[in-house]
Amino acid sequence: DVKVTQSSRYLVKRTGEKVFLECVQDMDHENMFWYRQDPGLGLRLIYFSYDVKMKEKGDIPEGYSVSREKKERFSLILESASTNQTSMYLCASNLMTGGARNEQFFGPGTRLTVL
Amino acid sequence: AQTVTQSQPEMSVQEAETVTLSCTYDTSESDYYLFWYKQPPSRQMILVIRQEAYKQQNATENRFSVNFQKAAKSFSLKISDSQLGDAAMYFCAYRSAYYGGSQGNLIFGKGTKLSVKP
Repeated sequence: DVKVTQSSRYLVKRTGEKVFLECVQDMDHENMFWYRQDPGLGLRLIYFSYDVKMKEKGDIPEGYSVSREKKERFSLILESASTNQTSMYLCASNLMTGGARNEQFFGPGTRLTVL
Repeated sequence: AQTVTQSQPEMSVQEAETVTLSCTYDTSESDYYLFWYKQPPSRQMILVIRQEAYKQQNATENRFSVNFQKAAKSFSLKISDSQLGDAAMYFCAYRSAYYGGSQGNLIFGKGTKLSVKP
């Protein structure tokens, strides 16, 4: 089974802190994604990566950065956390190849609260 | 740009009954994939069912089936014999078949929260 794990289920940080959210997948997937999930807004893509050291902005990249030094690990960084970044963060991964069988596999999510 | 609309923020169904969740999408592409994902409370998002746009036959997975109307750009999910474990957020998602860069990304609707009454 594909496993996508996230470093924390719940995280509480203070405004202005630097926050790291880690995601690891064990299926040698090329693509990895970071989403933000808010009630009534669904899932919005923050950043994605299709290879080591490669990244592309999603729909809402402002206030975030990412790092992918190894194929299995994709980190989301909040350089200076703000209260409007309080949210659920979901990581996902899939293979580079297309096709309907190429579903995205999701991690359990990290619920981040910024005080 | 493609968009996905789920017009029902919340739905409720009696156990053992059938419920249909609606999804419409907008695209100018002719080849794409559609997905329904389920997110149970405090649990991981999982794929329920997928549909390839060039296949006319509606996808089915056990109690889950879709009604795919390509001309109408509609992709509804039918859950038969609803069970308590079906209670979850359900997300409809679109992905372009023209894979490359951001075109391969999923575009999600805002979700429908399904409650199942015993």
